[in-house]
Amino acid sequence: GAVVSQHPSWVICKSGTSVKIECRSLDFQATTMFWYRQFPKQSLMLMATSNEGSKATYEQGVEKDKFLINHASLTLSTLTVTSAHPEDSSFYICSARDPGTGEKLFFGSGTQLSVL
Amino acid sequence: LAKTTQPISMDSYEGQEVNITCSHNNIATNDYITWYQQFPSQGPRFIIQGYKTKVTNEVASLFIPADRKSSTLSLPRVSLSDTAVYYCLVGSPLISSGSARQLTFGSGTQLTVLP
Repeated sequence: GAVVSQHPSWVICKSGTSVKIECRSLDFQATTMFWYRQFPKQSLMLMATSNEGSKATYEQGVEKDKFLINHASLTLSTLTVTSAHPEDSSFYICSARDPGTGEKLFFGSGTQLSVL
Repeated sequence: LAKTTQPISMDSYEGQEVNITCSHNNIATNDYITWYQQFPSQGPRFIIQGYKTKVTNEVASLFIPADRKSSTLSLPRVSLSDTAVYYCLVGSPLISSGSARQLTFGSGTQLTVLP
């Protein structure tokens, strides 16, 4: 199946710093990518939809100025957590839809963010 | 977006067949049903997708009744490594104008396979 690569797999940062997470579709072009957040023992919560060449669409309650999304190419979307705080510590997962496989979403391996 | 309802947890023993049912009463005509598997600290992994009747692949079967208001994921002869959370999602294919229907995750089912 299609491969989505996500980096880094884990990151530890100090409070107030910014962290960038990359999501790449390796063998297909993704005009749309999705960013999720997952707390321990909970389900995935959709944060935003990343659209290539245009602004991301954020879900209600997600601060767009805090979670900056850039989708500059058909194979790369980035999520930057700006001025991170301990409450931003979470597991972040990206996904991309391979148009050639219908409605199947392929997920990255996730990024565990720990803010000290 | 169609809401899904699944059992919170299920236990099974190695070698048994496991059936996990998902309810999606307000599924739309264009919606497909997709199941994902997630291990701790990993992204979800695609298992199977279907629209109606029965779909089978090398790892699972998916049964969808005629009214499509529910679906059942069947895992034959589970092993310890099948212990994971299983999610049922419904969603529509990409439509024109560039808008995409994102898939919303429900609570999922924690399957625990016991020796």
